[in-house]
Amino acid sequence: AQSVTQLDSQVPVFEEAPVELRCNYSSSVSVYLFWYVQYPNQGLQLLLKYLSGSTLVKGINGFEAEFNKSQTSFHLRKPSVHISDTAEYFCAVSAPSGNTGKLIFGQGTTLQVKP
Amino acid sequence: GAGVSQSPSNKVTEKGKDVELRCDPISGHTALYWYRQRLGQGLEFLIYFQGNSAPDKSGLPSDRFSAERTGESVSTLTIQRTQQEDSAVYLCASSLESQGEAFFGQGTRLTVV
Repeated sequence: AQSVTQLDSQVPVFEEAPVELRCNYSSSVSVYLFWYVQYPNQGLQLLLKYLSGSTLVKGINGFEAEFNKSQTSFHLRKPSVHISDTAEYFCAVSAPSGNTGKLIFGQGTTLQVKP
Repeated sequence: GAGVSQSPSNKVTEKGKDVELRCDPISGHTALYWYRQRLGQGLEFLIYFQGNSAPDKSGLPSDRFSAERTGESVSTLTIQRTQQEDSAVYLCASSLESQGEAFFGQGTRLTVV
């Protein structure tokens, strides 16, 4: 079975500073990895995904993440954050086949961007 | 429709009543998921349907919870004898297995009073 750990429940950061949101996963099989964002009072939307190929994945709104198989990590980064990036961020993992394909989420990281 | 549709958007029910939540996935999506999100919490996996395979019910918290899906279309999540701890937003998502990306509905906010 897969599991996901988001190491920080809250990350406060000043506007225009860089940010990294950490995510580690556990799985006995190959995985797909995702980052979702939930803005206040809105639904979840996909930021980026890793299915295969290049380990550096670029997503919307200037975010990127790097898949590190040896460290079982998929940390999310942005070089310069905006106030509008304030939201809840969820890392998720799934395995590509059959009934193991269910999507498991981490507990979320609240990104608080301060002026 | 173009996206995942959930109904109702809000539901207030009395403790002990049964409720039924509905999810219309994106047409052609073979996988469908239900999650529960309590206030300020993460997404708690409830159940996963994939094509004609037996559903993965490993996340259902008790036998008061059940879900059905007809083929690759609508799914309903039923909560019997609701309790106050069932109050949460119930999210549905669907995906094409080969792509893995799940598209979420706006959720049903359930309040048990």
